[in-house]
Amino acid sequence: LAKTTQPISMDSYEGQEVNITCSHNNIATNDYITWYQQFPSQGPRFIIQGYKTKVTNEVASLFIPADRKSSTLSLPRVSLSDTAVYYCLVGDPKAAGNKLTFGGGTRVLVKP
Amino acid sequence: ETGVTQTPRHLVMGMTNKKSLKCEQHLGHNAMYWYKQSAKKPLELMFVYNFKEQTENNSVPSRFSPECPNSSHLFLHLHTLQPEDSALYLCASSQDGGGVNYGYTFGSGTRLTVV
Repeated sequence: LAKTTQPISMDSYEGQEVNITCSHNNIATNDYITWYQQFPSQGPRFIIQGYKTKVTNEVASLFIPADRKSSTLSLPRVSLSDTAVYYCLVGDPKAAGNKLTFGGGTRVLVKP
Repeated sequence: ETGVTQTPRHLVMGMTNKKSLKCEQHLGHNAMYWYKQSAKKPLELMFVYNFKEQTENNSVPSRFSPECPNSSHLFLHLHTLQPEDSALYLCASSQDGGGVNYGYTFGSGTRLTVV
């Protein structure tokens, strides 16, 4: 499984854009990049997944450069309710027996 | 509700008690998982079930005993736990190996306190 490295924490203010970069130098050809969000005392929630270039949904955007050795989760115009831990995971979603291994995540604090 | 329901939400038990955690999903997923999340630690994968068969046990002590009677239900039986077993226990399900848009769906967890 490809190892990921992301900042331990980030602070932001309401209305700002938050960008969290994740490094995954050993990403394999069949690996996808997936981000999860976790609020205190709740299970993680799937946010977005991508393979290359850019993916956007109603919650976030995911930017993946051509070499795929890193990715950036972008949260536009954050609100206080976006305060959470964000996890970057890399793996092959089509592999049998695939299982998610979580790192420490990035703790995002949105201030008023 | 995420589609994965865990009960109870909170549990306090003594070290000599026996209790069970329950997880239920009606998403049509074929894989189910137990994770443990201790304070200020990453989620730790405990057990993996695929089509009701246990496919992974990450060196979990025998005082934790999983059971998967069918692909919709998963239990974690607890006995003679230690205070350090206090944590948030999360259940998740997924469609194993399926499709591009795979993702795990997690329940809200059971907050376990061992006294």
